[in-house]
Amino acid sequence: DAGVIQSPRHEVTEMGQEVTLRCKPISGHDYLFWYRQTMMRGLELLIYFNNNVPIDDSGMPEDRFSAKMPNASFSTLKIQPSEPRDSAVYFCASTRDRKGAFFGQGTRLTVV
Amino acid sequence: SQELEQSPQSLIVQEGKNLTINCTSSKTLYGLYWYKQKYGEGLIFLMMLQKGGEEKSHEKITAKLDEKKQQSSLHITASQPSHAGIYLCGAAYNAGNMLTFGGGTRLMVKP
Repeated sequence: DAGVIQSPRHEVTEMGQEVTLRCKPISGHDYLFWYRQTMMRGLELLIYFNNNVPIDDSGMPEDRFSAKMPNASFSTLKIQPSEPRDSAVYFCASTRDRKGAFFGQGTRLTVV
Repeated sequence: SQELEQSPQSLIVQEGKNLTINCTSSKTLYGLYWYKQKYGEGLIFLMMLQKGGEEKSHEKITAKLDEKKQQSSLHITASQPSHAGIYLCGAAYNAGNMLTFGGGTRLMVKP
């Protein structure tokens, strides 16, 4: 298995632009998580899905953030409009059987 | 997360020395996960602990969960430069598997 695949690996965008981050979880995993990592706040859970259904989005910072999981093999995290304070590394992770979530390589987002 | 505290925040050790990283939860844990992260990369799953008093080992890394399931320690024996990175503990407080992470411990191993 190729593991959790995220794209793009790096994204630089101007303030106000829409940004879409993509994630392909490991096949057969029924949980998918979106995390954000910054130096100041560490690793924060934004939202997680179980069987494609959003379970808890209390970590989503603002209405500018939205996430979808249209099927078991794909999820997106969208920021519209983006702001400089959204700059961070965004991780997607998936798991099954509570044996430890597997993380993607992350998307490093820079909003200028 | 204030629910989960890691210590120390950073650690510099000489190659060959042993070291311990601690993770303390303010609430009883359902499960405790240890991860390692290298700069610019994703998190690598090391171990999961779920039972009070449980201990697991992987190569030279040993993790323990206390009986009350509120504290875990990660111990590295005879550290090597390859052990360098950021170690994060993640807590699950229910079976839904949502992880809350500690602030991480940045480990440097001097050759």
